[in-house]
Amino acid sequence: GQQLNQSPQSMFIQEGEDVSMNCTSSSIFNTWLWYKQEPGEGPVLLIALYKAGELTSNGRLTAQFGITRKDSFLNISASIPSDVGIYFCAGPPRSNFGNEKLTFGTGTRLTIIP
Amino acid sequence: DGGITQSPKYLFRKEGQNVTLSCEQNLNHDAMYWYRQDPGQGLRLIYYSQIVNDFQKGDIAEGYSVSREKKESFPLTVTSAQKNPTAFYLCASSSGQGAETQYFGPGTRLLVL
Repeated sequence: GQQLNQSPQSMFIQEGEDVSMNCTSSSIFNTWLWYKQEPGEGPVLLIALYKAGELTSNGRLTAQFGITRKDSFLNISASIPSDVGIYFCAGPPRSNFGNEKLTFGTGTRLTIIP
Repeated sequence: DGGITQSPKYLFRKEGQNVTLSCEQNLNHDAMYWYRQDPGQGLRLIYYSQIVNDFQKGDIAEGYSVSREKKESFPLTVTSAQKNPTAFYLCASSSGQGAETQYFGPGTRLLVL
């Protein structure tokens, strides 16, 4: 199946730093979703984006729906230890209209160095 | 509280055995999904169901079976035909009718002895 490319694959940062990650696709997406997964748990929805150019915040997290509809970005400001986890982007390609299947990114693993 | 529950949290299987993983949701969602996640990997779709008594194969359906007899339940059976069943299994649901946002359960880790 189709995959979304996330970068970077992993990040090692110090507490208090800002974090940026992105997700790109070769096809157009109608919706972009960002999830966070902690070890041994299911992914939790962080932010959902529905319009090209949309910028949405959830606390210290901000995500943007790219103008080309083929990419999305997630930023975390002033990172704290509980931000550790794997961040996944996901969305239904435009070709999936009427079908709720999602395509998931490969994930960005965030580690915070004490 | 509304949500998705999966049981058990850990499951051990002997080679050649079938095992069934439970997934229940009380969100009144029409659509339900099963994913497999291997260490350090993303999520791969096994099966999905958009409505009761109907389901479709995902990208890696071989060696798995499902049923959708009730709206709130979508059990997954890992059969002996699945040669590499050790993985983390995640169930999700969405409201359907074109709403793409999926909500996940806590997962079941399956280990083969």
